[in-house]
Amino acid sequence: QVQLVESGGGVVQPGKSLRLSCAASGFTFNTHGMHWVRQAPGKGLEWVAVIWYDGSNEYHADSVKGRFTISRDNSKDMVYLQMNSLRAEDTAVYYCARDWGGYGDYLDHWGQGTRVTVSS
Amino acid sequence: QIVLTQSPSASASLGASVKLTCTLSSGHTSNNIAWHQQQSEKGPRFLMKVNSDGSHYKGDGIPDRFSGSSSGAERYLTISSLHFEDEADYYCQAWDTGIWVFGEGTKLTVL
Repeated sequence: QVQLVESGGGVVQPGKSLRLSCAASGFTFNTHGMHWVRQAPGKGLEWVAVIWYDGSNEYHADSVKGRFTISRDNSKDMVYLQMNSLRAEDTAVYYCARDWGGYGDYLDHWGQGTRVTVSS
Repeated sequence: QIVLTQSPSASASLGASVKLTCTLSSGHTSNNIAWHQQQSEKGPRFLMKVNSDGSHYKGDGIPDRFSGSSSGAERYLTISSLHFEDEADYYCQAWDTGIWVFGEGTKLTVL
């Protein structure tokens, strides 16, 4: 069965960096796009970034553009989110999610999330 | 820019049915959407994709009690024979070139 396991969350000071990882298993990783979605405390879901199945294209939400970068390693079945210049408003649970297709479609499997707290 | 509109809350009695609505913004009324369920303190779970023609494709293990439909700019999620475990937040999700969006979610209470 499809499994997505996020890691790398924690408490970090404003302005610092953090890298999240997502380990995928149970499916042919290099045929699916991958997303990051976040959820601030008490709020709804906010899409963050997507990367195509082969890593050839990626998109980021305006709220993180220029600060966050999604990447993947198809040899390791891993997807990453590099988060730089973190702000208090980036505090959230970050979910890794699989795309149904290879080029960005709907999200059809989710991980359990990793919590990021940005605070001094 | 796609905007998805959902009612903040809904309620229905145990064993009854409920129909949740997601409305697509002007210019995007033919988009397909997906429904996701999030139970308290858990990660989201994909329920189904709902196409503009009303067809729907459910995720693995989603009970037959869950179904989807469409009418114009509206996409629906119907849950019949409500169970207590159906009490959750329900989000619709749409996508277009370079952008993915979620509705603000509907909190369903099972009475």
